[in-house]
Amino acid sequence: DAEITQSPRHKITETGRQVTLACHQTWNHNNMFWYRQDLGHGLRLIHYSYGVQDTNKGEVSDGYSVSRSNTEDLPLTLESAASSQTSVYFCASSTGGRTEAFFGQGTRLTVV
Amino acid sequence: RKEVEQDPGPFNVPEGATVAFNCTYSNSASQSFFWYRQDCRKEPKLLMSVYSSGNEDGRFTAQLNRASQYISLLIRDSKLSDSATYLCVVGFYNQGGKLIFGQGTELSVKP
Repeated sequence: DAEITQSPRHKITETGRQVTLACHQTWNHNNMFWYRQDLGHGLRLIHYSYGVQDTNKGEVSDGYSVSRSNTEDLPLTLESAASSQTSVYFCASSTGGRTEAFFGQGTRLTVV
Repeated sequence: RKEVEQDPGPFNVPEGATVAFNCTYSNSASQSFFWYRQDCRKEPKLLMSVYSSGNEDGRFTAQLNRASQYISLLIRDSKLSDSATYLCVVGFYNQGGKLIFGQGTELSVKP
């Protein structure tokens, strides 16, 4: 069955370190998204991509970057982790249009 | 102002009750509308799409009022298993299907 997977599921890192969260989907969806979820804020869009070599900033993109070198993967990099980036991160993919997005199981990141 | 606003609740209702959630969105360019459900901070999953004509799926009814930029979800005959957070979502299909989420409304159905 097609799916979307995130790794790692849990990570603890130190302030200032570079961290990369992986997202891999096997639906061959063109569109991929990264969100973070914090209490009181719901899911906020970090970055999104319409396809290979395309990336776009969302509403909370500062301190994050993504790259899209193939259809299946959209890794999220925290350039220099900060305690304010402690959160649960969700990756999603869709065919676009009016269709639903499918979400990975999330990565819980703690920055100490 | 948040682009999608919901009452965070919690809504505590007895089994069998009817409960309604409301949501407003600020961007008139919003093109598609959804309700997602999220259990215990797990991944969100689509509950139903929302159309201007209104749509129903079993005990769930969703309505969209584009003029007022207002979306609603009605749950009839609440079950214990309906306890979850309900997320109002607007989409932009001319921007790759980008989805913007409200902060969610928490529902707790009690025996």
